[in-house]
Amino acid sequence: DGGITQSPKYLFRKEGQNVTLSCEQNLNHDAMYWYRQDPGQGLRLIYYSQIVNDFQKGDIAEGYSVSREKKESFPLTVTSAQKNPTAFYLCASRTRGANTEAFFGQGTRLTVV
Amino acid sequence: QQPVQSPQAVILREGEDAVINCSSSKALYSVHWYRQKHGEAPVFLMILLKGGEQKGHEKISASFNEKKQQSSLYLTASQLSYSGTYFCGTASPYSGGGADGLTFGKGTHLIIQP
Repeated sequence: DGGITQSPKYLFRKEGQNVTLSCEQNLNHDAMYWYRQDPGQGLRLIYYSQIVNDFQKGDIAEGYSVSREKKESFPLTVTSAQKNPTAFYLCASRTRGANTEAFFGQGTRLTVV
Repeated sequence: QQPVQSPQAVILREGEDAVINCSSSKALYSVHWYRQKHGEAPVFLMILLKGGEQKGHEKISASFNEKKQQSSLYLTASQLSYSGTYFCGTASPYSGGGADGLTFGKGTHLIIQP
């Protein structure tokens, strides 16, 4: 079955450590996105990529980094520079072009301890 | 800037109707609606592309007034399965139809009681 997979589902990190969240899709989608979700805040765009080896900052990119070396994969690294990393992180993908639906992964809940 | 959704929350009895509004201060090219159950991935409902356009999906429909920069989601004869948080995501005319990512509202929590 085609879909988008995020791992792990739950992640705990000590302050000062970097951590990488995985996002893999087998939908043959060109575009991939990372959103952060906090209670009562909706979804906010961190980074997006419309093609391999290219990505752009979203609205809240500070303290995060990404790579897009393969079409199927778009990992997100939460660095120690991110002041408040505890949140629910959602990855999405869609076919390239305007006005197509986005498919979301099940999310990773990151907690800093 | 995030679109504004209203109401923030609504509680209904099964079979009642609900309207969720999404309003933007910026020009809109399209509006996307999603529903999310707690701890799960948002699920796509529909995209509205043209001013005044209305689309339907079973007992869920929506309208888009391009001039007013507003969209409304209508849920008729609500079912228990409609419970969740509804998000509108907007795309500006300059974002490649949302290819640069959607801007989401803060969500409307819908609770359907038996």
